[in-house]
Amino acid sequence: GQNIDQPTEMTATEGAIVQINCTYQTSGFNGLFWYQQHAGEAPTFLSYNVLDGLEEKGRFSSFLSRSKGYSYLLLKELQMKDSASYLCAGANTGFQKLVFGTGTRLLVSP
Amino acid sequence: GAGVSQSPSNKVTEKGKDVELRCDPISGHTALYWYRQSLGQGLEFLIYFQGNSAPDKSGLPSDRFSAERTGGSVSTLTIQRTQQEDSAVYLCASSLSGLDGYTFGSGTRLTVV
Repeated sequence: GQNIDQPTEMTATEGAIVQINCTYQTSGFNGLFWYQQHAGEAPTFLSYNVLDGLEEKGRFSSFLSRSKGYSYLLLKELQMKDSASYLCAGANTGFQKLVFGTGTRLLVSP
Repeated sequence: GAGVSQSPSNKVTEKGKDVELRCDPISGHTALYWYRQSLGQGLEFLIYFQGNSAPDKSGLPSDRFSAERTGGSVSTLTIQRTQQEDSAVYLCASSLSGLDGYTFGSGTRLTVV
């Protein structure tokens, strides 16, 4: 199977750090992608992990453990504009298809 | 073009009518994908094109749905005899290799009344 699970909603405070977890069934996936989607807008690509470990991109980092079927997105120095949904997606072999989770809605408060 | 362009941005249609949704991918992107997103749901894969061929159309919900791509560029998604459950945002994305991440268009919001 290719289920992707992530929390429905999270809240955090401006300036803080938040970690959004994503778990998946390990068979069939060849990498994990993270997207940001503001309400009413298209998803935008944030990062991906193919190998185990941490990938850092400015305030955003993503981690993958393939053996555990686990990934997380770490957002540092939160800003109000980071309030959005964060979508975890698993890629099949050849990256021909992404299977998306239902997304985690993050609300950043002052 | 600079981004993925979809038209129309909004479409309201009567149940039973046919609709055609258009996607213009980023120039040079060989891979093109259609997804749909229902209210409060995740993105649901519909079909994937590599060039003009569709190696994976496993996500098309029924035979009322079809898609084609011509010239390795523009794609159209056609829904025949629309039903109310077809109401959703239909998103198109394109990619150079997959590893570069997909670039999504702004979507077509389809409402079947």
